[in-house]
Amino acid sequence: EPEVTQTPSHQVTQMGQEVILRCVPISNHLYFYWYRQILGQKVEFLVSFYNNEISEKSEIFDDQFSVERPDGSNFTLKIRSTKLEDSAMYFCASKGGSYEQYFGPGTRLTVT
Amino acid sequence: AQKVTQAQTEISVVEKEDVTLDCVYETRDTTYYLFWYKQPPSGELVFLIRRNSFDEQNEISGRYSWNFQKSTSSFNFTITASQVVDSAVYFCALDRPFSGTYKYIFGTGTRLKVLA
Repeated sequence: EPEVTQTPSHQVTQMGQEVILRCVPISNHLYFYWYRQILGQKVEFLVSFYNNEISEKSEIFDDQFSVERPDGSNFTLKIRSTKLEDSAMYFCASKGGSYEQYFGPGTRLTVT
Repeated sequence: AQKVTQAQTEISVVEKEDVTLDCVYETRDTTYYLFWYKQPPSGELVFLIRRNSFDEQNEISGRYSWNFQKSTSSFNFTITASQVVDSAVYFCALDRPFSGTYKYIFGTGTRLKVLA
């Protein structure tokens, strides 16, 4: 069964560094998402992406964040200058013709 | 406002007990979808069920069952004869695909501890 994959599974970075989280959505899906979950809290929407542009973003998704689909298979989330409060689990999701988003296993980001 | 409330922060049960996890949602949309996800200690989100707003039939899948009641805006989840492997955080989520938004709205989750 096709699945969403994410790399790396765990990333440790120093405050102020740039990080890129990578996702490979399910191949025929057209809608892509990033969610964030701070440890012990709920899963929060960050951004959705369709037709090579952002279709919706939350107030969390400020200028420090950007998303890109650099080729036909990858979908990335970049954080330009990480802060301690960016430490969280980041989930990528993709959606095709059904009304269901398929979630990846997550990348745990630790900012020190 | 669109919102999902899981009032139970943490529940502890002894193995083989039945347990019900509550989910109450708010939306003005007439068409929407509700989901339950399980998040084990490893962190991934495991899809359990999707239910659309027009289907109020209860569903059973093995030891799991779901009770959807539009009259009370609730979508509760029951585990029968709980097992230690059921220990996880469970999230309820709302999707409103025809409202112009693309995001899932998650509840705050219920941590279930099943004790041997």
